[in-house]
Amino acid sequence: QLQLQESGSGLVKPSQTLSLTCAVSGSSIGSGGYSWSWIRQPPGKGLEWIGYIYPSGSTFYTPSLRGRVTISLDTSKNQFSLRLSSVTAADTAVYYCARSPIIMGTGYLDYWGQGTQVTVSS
Amino acid sequence: DIVMTQSPDSLAVSLGERATINCKSSQSVLYSSNNKNYLTWYQQKPGQPPKLLIYWASTRESGVPDRFSGSGSGTDFTLTISNLQAEDVAVYYCQQYYVTPWAFGQGTKVEIK
Repeated sequence: QLQLQESGSGLVKPSQTLSLTCAVSGSSIGSGGYSWSWIRQPPGKGLEWIGYIYPSGSTFYTPSLRGRVTISLDTSKNQFSLRLSSVTAADTAVYYCARSPIIMGTGYLDYWGQGTQVTVSS
Repeated sequence: DIVMTQSPDSLAVSLGERATINCKSSQSVLYSSNNKNYLTWYQQKPGQPPKLLIYWASTRESGVPDRFSGSGSGTDFTLTISNLQAEDVAVYYCQQYYVTPWAFGQGTKVEIK
């Protein structure tokens, strides 16, 4: 049974860096076949895709966050991480990690973590 | 970037009736080389993560009841919930994965009338 579990800093001060980790069980993130994404949802709003990482380590980020965001892979711990720098109140959201099968490209998110609330406040 | 627009923003449907949600993309998400529409639908209940319902515009995810169906091609898509049940109350999102950045619609809230 595949499980994804987010963890990390729930309260971050403005201008600091948000750091989250997604621990994966039931699937090896380095074995290929899947990309691994971060998505966020501001309070009372819709979903925003942040970016993904392939097992090779290659990444793609949404343009609005490029320059502030880094997604990385730690195959030894079977987890992947999100770092978002220079945060503001607009970065307050529930952050989800999710998996996407690489079939004729990649893109539909078949397994999601439960999400973790991150609040940016002094 | 592709923009996804859903309609309506919310709808109320009687139990046992049909709910229809539309999703329009600002450009085609049909990949001609494999004739696949790179469009998916999710269901999100309060306090829960989204759940995959439909991918490739019309392929139902394993375990999803057959009252959920997806249709459409190119730029116009529909999610139909036939025989609406109380447990179907949720917000529904479409998402394109034809090109990055992947984009979601704004969501459609389905309630019981």
